[in-house]
This record gives sequence, C-alpha cells and structure tokens, in this order.
Amino acid sequence: QQQVKQSPQSLIVQKGGISIINCAYENTAFDYFPWYQQFPGKGPALLIAIRPDVSEKKEGRFTISFNKSAKQFSLHIMDSQPGDSATYFCAAGPPGGYQKVTFGTGTKLQVIP
Amino acid sequence: DSGVTQTPKHLITATGQRVTLRCSPRSGDLSVYWYQQSLDQGLQFLIQYYNGEERAKGNILERFSAQQFPDLHSELNLSSLELGDSALYFCASSVGGGLNTGELFFGEGSRLTVL
Repeated sequence: QQQVKQSPQSLIVQKGGISIINCAYENTAFDYFPWYQQFPGKGPALLIAIRPDVSEKKEGRFTISFNKSAKQFSLHIMDSQPGDSATYFCAAGPPGGYQKVTFGTGTKLQVIP
Repeated sequence: DSGVTQTPKHLITATGQRVTLRCSPRSGDLSVYWYQQSLDQGLQFLIQYYNGEERAKGNILERFSAQQFPDLHSELNLSSLELGDSALYFCASSVGGGLNTGELFFGEGSRLTVL
C-alpha cells in the first residue's frame, strides 16, 4: 500500500511558538495533500490542503510547505495556541477520489501556556 | 458539527460476536466511506459506497461487510469479532465519488471494544 510517513508522533509547544509537522510520501502520482485536525472525541476535519502546483499555501496561522522534488510536505502552525491542541493527520492521494487517499499516522500536538 | 451522524458512539462486545455500525451522511452527499482508526495506525480506508453501489475497497477484512441503502445511509457489519478489531470506526461522506469528490466530512466515530 502507498505510504505516507508522518513525524513526530507527538509534539509539545509553548504558547506562541511554532509547531511543525512533517510528512513524506512515495507515490509521484499523488497530487492532493490535505491536512486534517482531530479534537478528542471528534472526527477529523479538513484544515488546509495543497496541490503540487504551488510550494506554499497559507490560511491564517496555518501554512503548508510543499517540496515536490523531495516528496515532502509540512504543516506549520504559527503563534500556536492551547486551542490548537489536537491530533493532526497529513494525507496524500492521486486524482480520483478519497478512496485512494492515504493518511499518515497522526501527530498529537499539545500547546502549553 | 460535520452533519455526518454515526451510531452507536460506544460499543462493547465479546469475541465471536457480530455488530452493526450505522452512518447517516450529510444531506446531499452521495458517497459514504468507512475508515478504521487503531491506536498506532492512521486512518485505514475500508470501503466506499456511491449512491448505493460499492465504489472501492481498501483493507477490509472478509468478516466485515457494508452496504448503502436507498436513503443513502450506510451500515458496516463486523462479524466473528476478534480482540484486534477493537478500534474507532469512522464514517465520512462527500458530495461526489470520483474526480469531483469535494471535501470529506467525518462523523464522530463509533468506538468498538471487543473483550
């Protein structure tokens, strides 16, 4: 099965700091890279997504950086807040629907005051 | 609230038993996906239905089956349960089932514990 490797498994960041989560994929046919945020007791929810025609996408404090040649992409959370504490999943997939999207194993982020 | 409803939220059963998990997709969404989330695993795709028809299969065991009904709700049936089946099972829905899938919306999951 196509893999998406995500690191770190867990992350503790001080309030106001930058949280960085990294993912790497194998399949060069992948062209859709979403990030999902999951709070305890809730289902994952789409946070931000990028396609490989751009190297960076920013939405508020959340930024995806994409390196096509290295087959890596990362999520940066600027000015991290305690409310950002959640599990974050990266994912990657080819054209053709979510049935072919592979999810990473998740990063549990804790932002401490 | 994603608009995707899953029942039950929690289920405890014994090995060898059979359970049914139910999912109601968002209004207007034709595709339903089932995922399994175990402790050390990411979201593992199990199966997708689109407008009542099976569209794609992932890592779904033969002991598991699913269907989507005419009203578009879906059920995931898990039989001959084993301890290793204990996991969080998510249902998700999207408008389409192919190239124009749109965003994937997840329910809050059904936590299955097999004792």
